[in-house]
Amino acid sequence: QSALTQPPSASGSPGQSVTISCSGTSSDVGGYNYVSWYQQHPGKAPKLMIYEVLKRPSGVPGRFSGSKSGNTASLTVSGLQAEDEAVYYCSSYAGSNNLVFGGGTKLTVL
Amino acid sequence: QVQLQESGPGLVKPSQTLSLTCTVSGGSISSSGYYWSWIRQHPGKGLEWIGYIYNSGSIYYNPSLKSRVTISGDTSKNQFSLRLTSVTAADTAVYYCARHEIDIVATTDWGQGTLVTVSS
Repeated sequence: QSALTQPPSASGSPGQSVTISCSGTSSDVGGYNYVSWYQQHPGKAPKLMIYEVLKRPSGVPGRFSGSKSGNTASLTVSGLQAEDEAVYYCSSYAGSNNLVFGGGTKLTVL
Repeated sequence: QVQLQESGPGLVKPSQTLSLTCTVSGGSISSSGYYWSWIRQHPGKGLEWIGYIYNSGSIYYNPSLKSRVTISGDTSKNQFSLRLTSVTAADTAVYYCARHEIDIVATTDWGQGTLVTVSS
């Protein structure tokens, strides 16, 4: 299984919206509605932000939303805030109890 | 609130075996509904799923690491462990243990991570 493809970087000004993509195949992203997104600040463990493509765990701000079209999933952060600056990783179920992660996207709040 | 804590040597020599243990508190590794996972992160790189164990029984590994990895569980100590054999410098990484919720196929709780360096 190959890693999911994410852009290495994304940026936006406070208050703006930014969308991060996560491209896979029909064997992972396209085949299952089990895409998750994680936020990682420097030196910290990842934190679950989105699961099952578009659901938010309790406590995650509504500014974070997820979607999927075909083999590509997306994470949108609306109303960017300084604390949103972090690296974001997508993950997908890849069948046969396997998981695959993306390479990560560093989000910079300008 | 479940808490996970990795422990083990921070330095391993090439060709030797990396061994880590994850101690779980606030939850039982025997409980249904969760896989207990190992995930690693190479320095400055992305996340890589290593594998997970369910109720100290069913075990699933990343196919790319399967030949070198063993995950096991000890319900009496509420711990699970990782062994990675024949390590090279490419295995230098931060290793996380984590709890993965089966129904939503997402990793909901993470340990703080432990850096393991492979060097002579």
